[in-house]
Amino acid sequence: EVQLVESGGGLTQPGGSLRLSCAASGFTFGDYAMNWVRQAPGKGLEWISYIGSAGTLIYYADSVKGRFTISRDNANNSLFLQMNSLRDDDTAVYFCVRVISRRAGDDYWGQGTLVTVSS
Amino acid sequence: DIQMTQSPSTLSASVGDRVSITCRASQSINFYLAWYQQKPGKAPKLLIYMASRLESGVPSRFSGSGSGTEFTLTIASLQPDDFATYYCQQYNSYSRTFGQGTKVEIK
Repeated sequence: EVQLVESGGGLTQPGGSLRLSCAASGFTFGDYAMNWVRQAPGKGLEWISYIGSAGTLIYYADSVKGRFTISRDNANNSLFLQMNSLRDDDTAVYFCVRVISRRAGDDYWGQGTLVTVSS
Repeated sequence: DIQMTQSPSTLSASVGDRVSITCRASQSINFYLAWYQQKPGKAPKLLIYMASRLESGVPSRFSGSGSGTEFTLTIASLQPDDFATYYCQQYNSYSRTFGQGTKVEIK
């Protein structure tokens, strides 16, 4: 069974940093690209970052470029999101999402981890 | 960036109704369009990929159509479990974009 479990969320002040993790199981993690998607309270979904299966192809949304860094550890089946210079509008539930293939898109989502940025 | 315009934002319907949700892309995305269902406090669930392919385990009352810039999600006969928020998503580019969402409410 495919499982994605996010962790690392919490409360931090504006300007602070957090590192999110996503533990993958039930599939060969290194064969799949991954995304991070977030959802602010009561709002819609926002894609924020993509990483290819080898970790060399990386893309960011303009809203987080230069502040967030996506990475992965295929040996330990883990995906990461380093978030620096956090702002109030980064407050959201952050989901890790598996990319099944270029043609079929994204399938499995984790349950999400809540990041709250507030003074 | 590709923009996705989804309508309506809210839809009031009764059990048994046939309902449709539309998504329009700002440029052609071929057939790289997915539909997700989300319930409060839960992660989105994939319903349709490649515009019209039904994800395994999803009831056949859900269907998708369209290509290029115009897409539609149809629920043939609305069931109580279907009251939720639905999102379209383009994945023609690595930078995905979602529609604003359609909340399907009980009439």
